Amino acid sequence: AQRVTQPEKLLSVFKGAPVELKCNYSYSGSPELFWYVQYSRQRLQLLLRHISRESIKGFTADLNKGETSFHLKKPFAQEEDSAMYYCVRTGGFKTIFGAGTRLFVKA
Amino acid sequence: GAVVSQHPSRVICKSGTSVKIECRSLDFQATTMFWYRQFPKQSLMLMATSNEGSKATYEQGVEKDKFLINHASLTLSTLTVTSAHPEDSSFYICSARDLSTSGVTTDTQYFGPGTRLTVL
Repeated sequence: AQRVTQPEKLLSVFKGAPVELKCNYSYSGSPELFWYVQYSRQRLQLLLRHISRESIKGFTADLNKGETSFHLKKPFAQEEDSAMYYCVRTGGFKTIFGAGTRLFVKA
Repeated sequence: GAVVSQHPSRVICKSGTSVKIECRSLDFQATTMFWYRQFPKQSLMLMATSNEGSKATYEQGVEKDKFLINHASLTLSTLTVTSAHPEDSSFYICSARDLSTSGVTTDTQYFGPGTRLTVL
């Protein structure tokens, strides 16, 4: 079955600490991977997509086809990073969301 | 840019009635729109993919006669929940995929704010 796995439902870190939100996917073809973020009381919005290889708000994510992973990383977490993060895979005309990880950055 | 709106944001209806939810891309054209359902404390589940001018593609387990989708233009898709029942109560979210000016479609989706449906 095609899946996107985010093993952590909740991740709590202190401000300034590094953070890594894990994402693993299953897909036999060439998927497109995204990270979407939902801040409190706001709509889902795109954070990163793997094809852009960009850094947004200090976050980066590298697609590792060997490990079928697309982990989201930030070296120094900020309180404003507290949000719900979804790893999303598209491909084969399907869009699949991971279960989401709630990141809580403590002061 | 890339704003998607949904209307209404919240609707309460009686069991057995039908409810229509609109999804609009405000500043771009969307050949494809997606409809999701989100239960409390759960992730989004794709219900159907709506392509402009053609029939929607429904995910397994989603009743196409129950959830009618129309995508009549490049900026509007509608989801009609027919004969709604309390178990249809949920948060419905649409997204639109941007058709760039170069004509190359990217897979980036822009999400609406969602519609909370409560069926009494």
